[in-house]
Amino acid sequence: NAGVTQTPKFQVLKTGQSMTLQCAQDMNHNSMYWYRQDPGMGLRLIYYSASEGTTDKGEVPNGYNVSRLNKREFSLRLESAAPSQTSVYFCASSERGGPGLEPQHFGDGTRLSIL
Amino acid sequence: GENVEQHPSTLSVQEGDSAVIKCTYSDSASNYFPWYKQELGKRPQLIIDIRSNVGEKKDQRIAVTLNKTAKHFSLHITETQPEDSAVYFCAALTGANSKLTFGKGITLSVRP
Repeated sequence: NAGVTQTPKFQVLKTGQSMTLQCAQDMNHNSMYWYRQDPGMGLRLIYYSASEGTTDKGEVPNGYNVSRLNKREFSLRLESAAPSQTSVYFCASSERGGPGLEPQHFGDGTRLSIL
Repeated sequence: GENVEQHPSTLSVQEGDSAVIKCTYSDSASNYFPWYKQELGKRPQLIIDIRSNVGEKKDQRIAVTLNKTAKHFSLHITETQPEDSAVYFCAALTGANSKLTFGKGITLSVRP
């Protein structure tokens, strides 16, 4: 019963490098989300996908791209990493978005450092 | 857009006492209010949630109350235990865009 699985768990990048964070869920959820968590800032939504084939910007989308590869997988890409993107990234999923939202289930997070 | 604020930012209580954490929100259209607990280095985990058509919900030592008129909701933990020490996040969902807006979190410390 894996739930939401994120890879990798830790990563160190140099400024300007690119990277894709992977997320997969096995709960047959329709909606998936990417958040970043910085000290004292709570969880801020980067992008989300309400259903397979759709993606939308969240609160802090600049510098990121996403791909909803299929119903299970939702990846986050940093094309040219910057030190300001050093953070802990969480992927989450829920059965559906919109009114009557079901609870979001989070992965274990990816700790990303950009030097 | 929605704005969620949590008060206080830190809270310290003696084991066995009650703890109350309050959140305010700005968008009167918000209709779903979850609370998440995050232990150090771990993922946020849902502990309780409430929908706008309900005023109170309980689950063992945890309860959440919602005041739609005042646009605030509170987490109540009774008989606190050291394992309740964690960061607690509240959030609000506005049905129009299906996005959760999180507060910045409150660090609860339970002193043995």
